Amino acid sequence: GAVVSQHPSRVICKSGTSVKIECRSLDFQATTMFWYRQFPKQSLMLMATSNEGSKATYEQGVEKDKFLINHASLTLSTLTVTSAHPEDSSFYICSATDRVAGELFFGEGSRLTVL
Amino acid sequence: GENVEQHPSTLSVQEGDSAVIKCTYSDSASNYFPWYKQELGKRPQLIIDIRSNVGEKKDQRIAVTLNKTAKHFSLHITETQPEDSAVYFCAAREGASKIIFGSGTRLSIRP
Repeated sequence: GAVVSQHPSRVICKSGTSVKIECRSLDFQATTMFWYRQFPKQSLMLMATSNEGSKATYEQGVEKDKFLINHASLTLSTLTVTSAHPEDSSFYICSATDRVAGELFFGEGSRLTVL
Repeated sequence: GENVEQHPSTLSVQEGDSAVIKCTYSDSASNYFPWYKQELGKRPQLIIDIRSNVGEKKDQRIAVTLNKTAKHFSLHITETQPEDSAVYFCAAREGASKIIFGSGTRLSIRP
């Protein structure tokens, strides 16, 4: 299947700093990528849909100014958690599909810990 | 928007027995229903999916059924093995839009 790579896998930062997470489709072009957040023992909650060349679409309750998404190319989307706080500590997972209405492939996930 | 409900939240079965996880969805326009298995700290892995033009699909010990009228779909795992222990998520999608996940089921296989 298609490969989605996410980096970094783990990051620890101080409160108030910003963290960038990258999501790459390695062997296909992804016009749309999705960003999910997963708290311990909970489900994957969709944060936003990242569209190549246009603004991301955020889910209700997700602050667009706090979670900056950039999808500048067909193979790369980035999520920047700005002014991170301990409550932002979570497992962030990106996903992409290699065709319209196709299977969703997930990145490895990034575990963010904000001290 | 779509809402997916999943139950049970936890399930413990004896090794060799069957496990069934059930989900309902709210949006009648949804037409794609994947199931994912997630092990601790890892990404979700697609184990089986079904589209709305099919009522049942089977892949070795795993099967999924879909009742479009009732907006129900279920995952069936037969002859369970220890390596089946994980968290399972159902999901639903309309066309090419976003996938919405159920709340998850923690499956434990007792030796």
